[in-house]
Amino acid sequence: TQLLEQSPQFLSIQEGENLTVYCNSSSVFSSLQWYRQEPGEGPVLLVTVVTGGEVKKLKRLTFQFGDARKDSSLHITAAQPGDTGLYLCAGLAGSNYKLTFGKGTLLTVNP
Amino acid sequence: DAGITQSPRYKITETGRQVTLMCHQTWSHSYMFWYRQDLGHGLRLIYYSAAADITDKGEVPDGYVVSRSKTENFPLTLESATRSQTSVYFCASRRGLDTDTQYFGPGTRLTVL
Repeated sequence: TQLLEQSPQFLSIQEGENLTVYCNSSSVFSSLQWYRQEPGEGPVLLVTVVTGGEVKKLKRLTFQFGDARKDSSLHITAAQPGDTGLYLCAGLAGSNYKLTFGKGTLLTVNP
Repeated sequence: DAGITQSPRYKITETGRQVTLMCHQTWSHSYMFWYRQDLGHGLRLIYYSAAADITDKGEVPDGYVVSRSKTENFPLTLESATRSQTSVYFCASRRGLDTDTQYFGPGTRLTVL
């Protein structure tokens, strides 16, 4: 069974601060995705990373896939209240089309 | 432009009753999934389907039944609801390739009394 450990589980910061969320596993994934979920809604895909060492930027969000494809990080610069939500990482292994999800990081950005 | 929809959005039922949660997608995606989301457990896969008439168990299938007679529909049935099945249920679909976007429905909040 492939597991994805996310840390921290909860994060409460002030507007303008930077933060990093981590997603770690002992397993290798062929690709890794990050989702954001807002209260009362389903998760929405933010990004997919495929290549070891890959870095992708989405405005103030920077996503990195580890060189060994076992871990990933999400860095938010100058967080805003609109960034508040549950951030989930999810990995795919080989030709398996079933995603393995981490338990999520609940981010609260206070004005 | 409906995308993926779930019904009902909220459901309260009693222990022992049968309840069916509906999921419909308008993209003709091959793959569909049912998850439950609980505090402390994250998203757990219940059942999935690779195509019409092809379904398979996920991580937590006990107490649930699925069918997929048409590509666009993937209903989830709780044959005899238990309190431990109180949860938020999400349906999702994906076209197929491993890097494809997986789209989630808005969820059904189910309470079993």
